[in-house]
Formats: sequence, C-alpha cells, structure tokens
Amino acid sequence: EAQVTQNPRYLITVTGKKLTVTCSQNMNHEYMSWYRQDPGLGLRQIYYSMNVEVTDKGDVPEGYKVSRKEKRNFPLILESPSPNQTSLYFCASSLVGTGEQYFGPGTRLTVT
Amino acid sequence: RKEVEQDPGPFNVPEGATVAFNCTYSNSASQSFFWYRQDCRKEPKLLMSVYSSGNEDGRFTAQLNRASQYISLLIRDSKLSDSATYLCVVNAGANNLFFGTGTRLTVIP
Repeated sequence: EAQVTQNPRYLITVTGKKLTVTCSQNMNHEYMSWYRQDPGLGLRQIYYSMNVEVTDKGDVPEGYKVSRKEKRNFPLILESPSPNQTSLYFCASSLVGTGEQYFGPGTRLTVT
Repeated sequence: RKEVEQDPGPFNVPEGATVAFNCTYSNSASQSFFWYRQDCRKEPKLLMSVYSSGNEDGRFTAQLNRASQYISLLIRDSKLSDSATYLCVVNAGANNLFFGTGTRLTVIP
C-alpha cells in the first residue's frame, strides 16, 4: 500500500529537549516536505527536499532542521523545542513538478 | 497579503444542497491548482486538480479563472460524508505549494 508514515503520532515534551519526528514514504517520490498546521494559519511549509542530499527552507524554518540521506526518509529535528513549536506536523511526498502530494497521518506535538 | 485566501466559513448546508467555495491567489505566475479535503484531525487528501478548462468529477466541479486569479469548487447534491474542510492549494512552481486556511463545510441531515 502506497503510504507516508510518521512517528510518533503524539508527543508531549519539555522545552529544550531535542526530538526527532521520522517520516518515511514507499512511493519512490523525489520530493518530500514538512508542514505545520496551526488554527487560523493553515498549512505552512517548514522545509522541503527535491532529492537525496538536497534540502531547502520553506516559509517557517526557524528552530527546525532536516536531513535527506535516503530517498524514502525525511526526518524533522527540533534541536531545542520551545512552546511556540506546539503544533500539528505533517510530512508529505510527491513526484517533482506536481502538486499532488501524499500526506502522512500527522504528529501532534506539545512543548511545555 | 496572503498567497492564497479562502472564506473560512463555516458553511452549514442541508443534505442535497449545492454549495460553492471560492479561493483567490496572489501570484499570477502560479502554475497549477488543487483542492484538497481534510477531515477533522486527519491529513489532507487530494480531492481534485483544477484545469484551465474546468473539470468535473462526479458531484464535484472545479473551475479556474486566471484573469481574476480565483479558483472555485462546486459540490452538487451534498452528502453528510462531504462534511470536511476544503483546502485550496496553489503551486507557484518547483513544488512551491501554498495552502489556503481552508473552508469548513458541514452538511446537515
């Protein structure tokens, strides 16, 4: 089954404690992206990757890091989480050049 | 100015009604357009692409007006299962997607 998986699905953590949210896709897509979704603000892009070892900033990259060492995986790293990073996070993938993205189920992060 | 703007609603309509959503975008160089559907606490899923000539998929019709820079979605014969948030999405090129904040639809029995 074609899918994008994210882990963990729910995470409550404290300020400053480094965390990683994993994302994996099995569709051989070149393009992967991370979004955060907040009430009234919609989906905002954090980082994206056009292929292995190619990453770029989206609209709200501050406080986040990513890596793309393998085509299927695109982890999101919060080195020192802060309460303003409390949000719903989605990973997505697609073929390059299309807007037809497949989203993971989301990770609800709470930073206290 | 936001890249993509939508009326957040909510739209509350009875079963069987026809409902239309509009969305405007600011970048005239935008290349492709989509409607996504998002159920409460779930991930967005592609509903349909929007072509210049307009396109229809069952009860759903999408239209694009490049001159006025807006996109529309028409749902005919609304079903209870159509209740969701509908996201307008614009591709400004190189997978640079901009999402609207969504329009919430509730279909009432």
